Amino acid sequence: TQLLEQSPQFLSIQEGENLTVYCNSSSVFSSLQWYRQEPGEGPVLLVTVVTGGEVKKLKRLTFQFGDARKDSSLHITAAQPGDTGLYLCAGARSYNTDKLIFGTGTRLQVFP
Amino acid sequence: GAVVSQHPSWVICKSGTSVKIECRSLDFQATTMFWYRQFPKQSLMLMATSNEGSKATYEQGVEKDKFLINHASLTLSTLTVTSAHPEDSSFYICSAPPERYNEQFFGPGTRLTVL
Repeated sequence: TQLLEQSPQFLSIQEGENLTVYCNSSSVFSSLQWYRQEPGEGPVLLVTVVTGGEVKKLKRLTFQFGDARKDSSLHITAAQPGDTGLYLCAGARSYNTDKLIFGTGTRLQVFP
Repeated sequence: GAVVSQHPSWVICKSGTSVKIECRSLDFQATTMFWYRQFPKQSLMLMATSNEGSKATYEQGVEKDKFLINHASLTLSTLTVTSAHPEDSSFYICSAPPERYNEQFFGPGTRLTVL
């Protein structure tokens, strides 16, 4: 059972466009992370959100944690080819566990 | 940021042989490490939690006798794929949480190909 569903699964856009990736669950998470993974490499942590309603910005990337801590979104402004990769959300079910549940993943391709 | 390394980065072996993959935390100690498996174009699937000084905890459906995990020190965990078969071919990734709960740093992964 996949507890974290991401949408869309695939996204192919032109450089300069904006996009939003969604990460949804029926379960509550104590925290949620977003990772980006390039082919043949391990995932790289982008951000951690822990408070319901929290918004974090990382240059052109904006992350939001839902008020009920069941969902999250990643918005990229003016996408660049360097943003290409697999984006993964991952949630922790409680504060006293390090175990993460990974989302289904969103593969983003940005064309010049 | 915290650094996690894996060795080897890739390995090709014959069916029936065993392969050992190492995961090291280079600049921090990790009492817990995690092992994931990733098939092409798919997300990460947690295989097991490696616990320093005690037995690993395996996820449902993962054969503990086939995927042996040893966490002998605070900076090293090993995953041994025993009697490997072609269906074990995959990308294996380890991770470790350095300080704060719920944040993990990942190794670069090991590509295993079983012929």
